[in-house]
Amino acid sequence: DQQVKQNSPSLSVQEGRISILNCDYTNSMFDYFLWYKKYPAEGPTFLISISSIKDKNEDGRFTVFLNKSAKHLSLHIVPSQPGDSAVYFCAAGNGGSNYKLTFGKGTLLTVNP
Amino acid sequence: DSGVTQTPKHLITATGQRVTLRCSPRSGDLSVYWYQQSLDQGLQFLIQYYNGEERAKGNILERFSAQQFPDLHSELNLSSLELGDSALYFCASSVGTSGLVYNEQFFGPGTRLTVL
Repeated sequence: DQQVKQNSPSLSVQEGRISILNCDYTNSMFDYFLWYKKYPAEGPTFLISISSIKDKNEDGRFTVFLNKSAKHLSLHIVPSQPGDSAVYFCAAGNGGSNYKLTFGKGTLLTVNP
Repeated sequence: DSGVTQTPKHLITATGQRVTLRCSPRSGDLSVYWYQQSLDQGLQFLIQYYNGEERAKGNILERFSAQQFPDLHSELNLSSLELGDSALYFCASSVGTSGLVYNEQFFGPGTRLTVL
């Protein structure tokens, strides 16, 4: 049972355009969502997060939108740069004293020069 | 560099064998998490330790076990290895204090395990 789904295994965009990565979840107990970026041969690195009490969080070129009613979140990258080419993982957690995260399978983003 | 170290980087072994993967968390982090990433799979949460105690368990097989030592480093022990155990194993750490603030996890570079 996949509680966090990233339905697009890959996405290709042109440099300078917007990249939109999508993520759906099924567990209504999730109250915190994170995006991680992963380059080959490296561990995932934290990118941006959002709490369920917000519907938008912005950090530079990266914005995460949360639609709780649709159980959907998206990551927007504007403008996209070739260095953004990586696998992006969506992750979700529920609060309390344990910080277990449930990850999606990832979306490979390729930004073409 | 996340500050989380994992050894070894690569491990090749045979079916039926036992291996130990090691993780040192970032300085000051009390929580350690282990994840498995198999081919075409996302990161599967295995287990979490907080300040030496097991805090949460995920899809961890009975053949696998972990512990966190007083110096906060952690080891993941995999025994009776099968071909399907071949995967990338990541360790992550976080400050992990209780409270309302959710701490992001910092990942190590992973250990690639190949079971032949």
